[in-house]
Parts: sequence; C-alpha cells; structure tokens
Amino acid sequence: GEDVEQSLFLSVREGDSSVINCTYTDSSSTYLYWYKQEPGAGLQLLTYIFSNMDMKQDQRLTVLLNKKDKHLSLRIADTQTGDSAIYFCLPKVPDTGRRALTFGSGTRLQVQP
Amino acid sequence: DTGVSQDPRHKITKRGQNVTFRCDPISEHNRLYWYRQTLGQGPEFLTYFQNEAQLEKSRLLSDRFSAERPKGSFSTLEIQRTEQGDSAMYLCASSLPGKAEAFFGQGTRLTVV
Repeated sequence: GEDVEQSLFLSVREGDSSVINCTYTDSSSTYLYWYKQEPGAGLQLLTYIFSNMDMKQDQRLTVLLNKKDKHLSLRIADTQTGDSAIYFCLPKVPDTGRRALTFGSGTRLQVQP
Repeated sequence: DTGVSQDPRHKITKRGQNVTFRCDPISEHNRLYWYRQTLGQGPEFLTYFQNEAQLEKSRLLSDRFSAERPKGSFSTLEIQRTEQGDSAMYLCASSLPGKAEAFFGQGTRLTVV
C-alpha cells in the first residue's frame, strides 16, 4: 500500500469527466495498470500503459503518464452511473519472479445521476 | 466460462472452525495469487504460486493459514481455528509469466461469527 497513493473518494455528475490520480514510488515500473472493482465483486483489468508511453486512449478512457513525476491518471469521459466503482492504480515492476502485485486503497468513484 | 473461478462465493462459519476455499485459475496460467480484502481497503497480498511451488508468503499469512497448489492447477486456501478478524473477501488471481496483468476471480466472502 505504501508504494501507491490515490485520493480515497471522487464524486462526479453523470455526463461529466472523471479524473482519478495516482502517484507511485518505484521508478522501475514497466507497466502501469488500472483495475476496477464494482461492489461485492472481484477486480477487473480496465486498461494499462507501458512506461515508455505518455498517453493511451481506449474509447472513453484516457491514461496519462508522467514518468518523471511518477504520476498516473485515468480520465473517464462522459461518466456513467455504471462507472461507479473503486479504481486501483497498480504499477508493475520488472518480473523478478518473486514480486507480487501490491495494491493501494483505491479511489471510490461515485457518479451522481 | 474460462475466467478465474472461486468456490464458495460466500461462507459463514463459527469462530474456531476450519474453512477451505478453492480457486481454479485460467487454464494456461501458471501463476496464482491469493489476496485478502477488508472493507474500504485494497487487496492485501497473502501468497503466490508458480506452478505448484509456493514462491512468496506474506507476513499476514499466520500459522493458521495454509495454501496449496498440488498439481499446479487449482489451489486451496485453508484457515484453521477461524477468528472474527479473518472475516474478509478472499480473492484469487492468475497470470502468465511475462504477462504482468492478473485476472481475478469474484472472491469468497468469509464471515466469522
């Protein structure tokens, strides 16, 4: 949990854009993932970005990476009530064979109709 | 369904009883992870297998917890002499080596009364 920091809560109105921010500590991260967890469910891989990219767009999702500042953001355009969930940022370090995925507390996104 | 499957989805047990959970990973995935998640927190890593070998265990995994993956396919997580503090969602995930993204099951929700 100490490797990743996210705001705990974000509330937006339906149709607005949401921006979820994440800062991380390990500069050797090669992939940076966003997972989504709906209430009472497991985690779903939403999108990811390679560390040599600045931006990735995937339909309503835009991921921005500032590697110098170790800052990652997820923008959801035209946010819908179905986007209400907890979003986890997950940096992945190079595969040493002995490193497990370490999650932070996530950001709870609440979409108001 | 070719995703990660966990059984049971819910378990209520009395304090002091033993419980066992099962996880069936995606068939070609040789890495398997167990996580525990309590309300308002991100998943906490418990243990990780590559094939049948248990390569990493968290300090969270007390002597009352044991995990196995005897044939490198499904895995079981057993909790002996359950305590109320064991109440949580237990999540299983699987992945391929070199592919950092992990796919999660729906979890087993344990309630110790």
